[in-house]
Amino acid sequence: QPGLTQPPSVSKDLGQTATLTCTGNNNNVGYQGAGWLQHRRGHPPKLVAYRNDNRPSGISERFSASRSGNTASLTITGLQPEDEADYYCSAWDARLTAWVFGGGTELTVL
Amino acid sequence: EVRLVESGGGLVQPGGSLRLSCAASGSTFSGEWMSWVRQAPGRGLEWVATIKPDGNDRFYVDSVGGRFTISRDNAESSLYLQMNSLRVEDTALYYCVSGLLDHWGQGTLVTVSS
Repeated sequence: QPGLTQPPSVSKDLGQTATLTCTGNNNNVGYQGAGWLQHRRGHPPKLVAYRNDNRPSGISERFSASRSGNTASLTITGLQPEDEADYYCSAWDARLTAWVFGGGTELTVL
Repeated sequence: EVRLVESGGGLVQPGGSLRLSCAASGSTFSGEWMSWVRQAPGRGLEWVATIKPDGNDRFYVDSVGGRFTISRDNAESSLYLQMNSLRVEDTALYYCVSGLLDHWGQGTLVTVSS
């Protein structure tokens, strides 16, 4: 089944800002928006944003999300070593009646 | 605090069956959509199946349709995944996930190999 499109990797220096992108279509990202999952090695994924710009309780304000049309973005400011992880976008696809994921972006903090 | 604990993974031969379970606590399980998501070694996240709160509607990724069955017991706050006719490509860490993918268990490993 078709998924969402994410760049495979992003590298930024400590303290800088990283913006990750995720492109879908009118049936998924453009429908009810996207969520973002942080997946550190050896841990289960953790939701850091949902329905475009909502942040779960306990998630740092350094994480913010937005959407423009069928493209969602996750911005992480003041990058810290613990931000290094794979980030996946997700969305419910109303036409497929399925959750769809992006292929994941590996974020490296230099 | 929502807690999801999976069990039932293991090593099985191709063509075999396994039943995964997920015990939920700390939330109103009966009101939540519930899903199974898997991650094969070296691969990304892949959605497997979702069930609505009342259990009447279920959705599957094409590759498991007809082989896997998702079910739930709201009285026991439990989610299940019956996996039949297992294939080598079903080898993965299987996660139990609630709602808008907001809570995840630690995962249970399924290995399909002869």
